[in-house]
Amino acid sequence: DQQVKQNSPSLSVQEGRISILNCDYTNSMFDYFLWYKKYPAEGPTFLISISSIKDKNEDGRFTVFLNKSAKHLSLHIVPSQPGDSAVYFCAATKNYGQNFVFGPGTRLSVLP
Amino acid sequence: EAGVAQSPRYKIIEKRQSVAFWCNPISGHATLYWYQQILGQGPKLLIQFQNNGVVDDSQLPKDRFSAERLKGVDSTLKIQPAKLEDSAVYLCASSDIRGQLAKNIQYFGAGTRLSVL
Repeated sequence: DQQVKQNSPSLSVQEGRISILNCDYTNSMFDYFLWYKKYPAEGPTFLISISSIKDKNEDGRFTVFLNKSAKHLSLHIVPSQPGDSAVYFCAATKNYGQNFVFGPGTRLSVLP
Repeated sequence: EAGVAQSPRYKIIEKRQSVAFWCNPISGHATLYWYQQILGQGPKLLIQFQNNGVVDDSQLPKDRFSAERLKGVDSTLKIQPAKLEDSAVYLCASSDIRGQLAKNIQYFGAGTRLSVL
């Protein structure tokens, strides 16, 4: 039972354009969502998060949008840079810090 | 600030052997997590500690996996006996419970890549 889904295994984008990574979840008890970025041979690093009481959170080039009714969130990267090429994981948690569940990841390639 | 330390980085064993992984979290972080990441999948939470107590171990295969966090600092994860399907990267993470939102941000180590032959 995959509670957090990232249906696009990979995404390629031109440098300078927008990257949009999508994530869907099934459990309405999730109340906090996070995005992590992972480079090869390294552990995931925290990127940005959003509480279920908000619908948007922005941090520099990164914006996360949450649509609770659709159980959908997305990560926008504008403008995309070659250094953004990595695997991006969506994660969800209940009770603000319990029962972390990660999606399978989307590999982003930003082409120069 | 030093990050999460894990060792070894790589381990190759034969099935039915035992193996142990070590993790030292960021200083002062009360919460420690162990994840299993199989190739092509996202990390799967195995166990979560708060200080030296277990908060969640619902996905830990307790017949072969065990974990402890003595003195509420570093932790070890053990597999005995190992199976072929245990081949994965084992990630350790820690977080700071101080602050409502801070406790949600986990800091990961580089992981231990286990190959079971």
